[in-house]
Formats: sequence, structure tokens, C-alpha cells
Amino acid sequence: EVQLVESGGGLVQPGGSLRLSCAASGFTLSDHYMDWVRQSPGKGLEWVGRTRNKANSYITDYAASVKGRFTISRDDSKNSLYLQMNSLKTEDTAVYYCARALGYCSTTICFAYFDHWGQGTLVTVSS
Amino acid sequence: EIVLTQSPGTLSLSPGERATLSCRASQSVSSSYLAWYQQKPGQAPRLVMYDVSSRATGIPDRFSGSGSGTDFTLTISRLEPEDFAVYYCQQYGSSPWAFGQGTKVEIK
Repeated sequence: EVQLVESGGGLVQPGGSLRLSCAASGFTLSDHYMDWVRQSPGKGLEWVGRTRNKANSYITDYAASVKGRFTISRDDSKNSLYLQMNSLKTEDTAVYYCARALGYCSTTICFAYFDHWGQGTLVTVSS
Repeated sequence: EIVLTQSPGTLSLSPGERATLSCRASQSVSSSYLAWYQQKPGQAPRLVMYDVSSRATGIPDRFSGSGSGTDFTLTISRLEPEDFAVYYCQQYGSSPWAFGQGTKVEIK
């Protein structure tokens, strides 16, 4: 059974940093593209970023709203995905989900939907 | 950047009724790369449909998807109590991979 479990959320001041983790089980992480998606309180879903799989050199893509501030990494040997968030803003307050993406990616293009999601971890950016 | 607009914002229906949810894209979605997700309060989204009309694992056949280009529809033929939720469409044909704002299907 595929399972994704996020951790690391909490309260952080504007300008601060936080690192989220996602523990994956039930599948071979290195074979898959993995994403972070967030949801602000009472709002819709926003794609944050993606790391492609080993076959595609772990290339990362980011939404414009987080590019340069957030970094996605992974350690396939530990079955773990990470989201390093720096220079946090109040508008980054959200539940952050890790999600497995299924589809087709190359080093230049990517077509993949989210077939499994974690339960989410809440990040609150406030002074 | 593709923007997805869902309508209506809220759909008030009774169990047993048919639900028709619309998702309109600001430009053509590449190769019908469109998915639908269901989200219940306090839960993560769940994949319902991908590639416009392919049901995800475990999704009953009362759910169906259709459309192409810029107009897409998710239909629930006969609503069951567990179907009342918020539904999001998402395009994955071009980056950034965008979601619609959601349609809430509520019990009338």
C-alpha cells in the first residue's frame, strides 16, 4: 500500500525557514516523480514544485511564487522527500501535501497527475 | 499559463440526483491531460479521474469524465452520500500545473 506521511510543519516568523519531510512507503521512490502541493486555509490547491525521478536526473520545477525561496530534494535511500522553505512570507501559510505524480516526464517536459497524497502538514507564517 | 475556471461554485443536490461539474481552461489543454480530484473536509485530495475520462483505482462507474480542448465535465450519475465533497480539476499538459478553484457538491 502506498503511504506518504508529511512532517515538520509548525509556526514560523516571516523571513524564517522551515524544512518539511515526506516519508514514502509501499513503492520504489526512485522510480517516481514527487511533488509538493499546498492549500491555504479555506482556499484551493496550488502546485508548489516537483522533483523528477532518477531516470530524469532528479530535475526540479517550481511555481513562480516560490522559485528562489523553496528547494525540493529527495533521498531515495531513506525513502524521503523534502521541502526546504526559506524567506517565508505570510502568504505561504498553508497545509503542505506531498504527492506522488504518475505519467510521463523527460528532462524537458512533464505530464503527470497526482495519484497518491499524504495527509498534509500545516505551516503557519506569522509574527 | 493556463487558468482553469470551475462552475458552478456550489451545487446543491439530493442523493440519487445527477451532478454535472464544469471545468473551462483559458487555453487548450495539451493532449487531454486533465484530472479531477475529490476532497472531503479535513482530508487530502483523492484522485477521481485522469486523462479526462479514465477512472482512478477504486472509483465507481457512476463517475464519468468528458471533454476536450478547453471544456471538460465531470458527471456523477446518481449521487451517493459519500460523494458530497469539493471537486477540483487540474491540467497537467503544461507547466505550471494548475488547479481550478473547486466546485462544492452539497446536500440539498
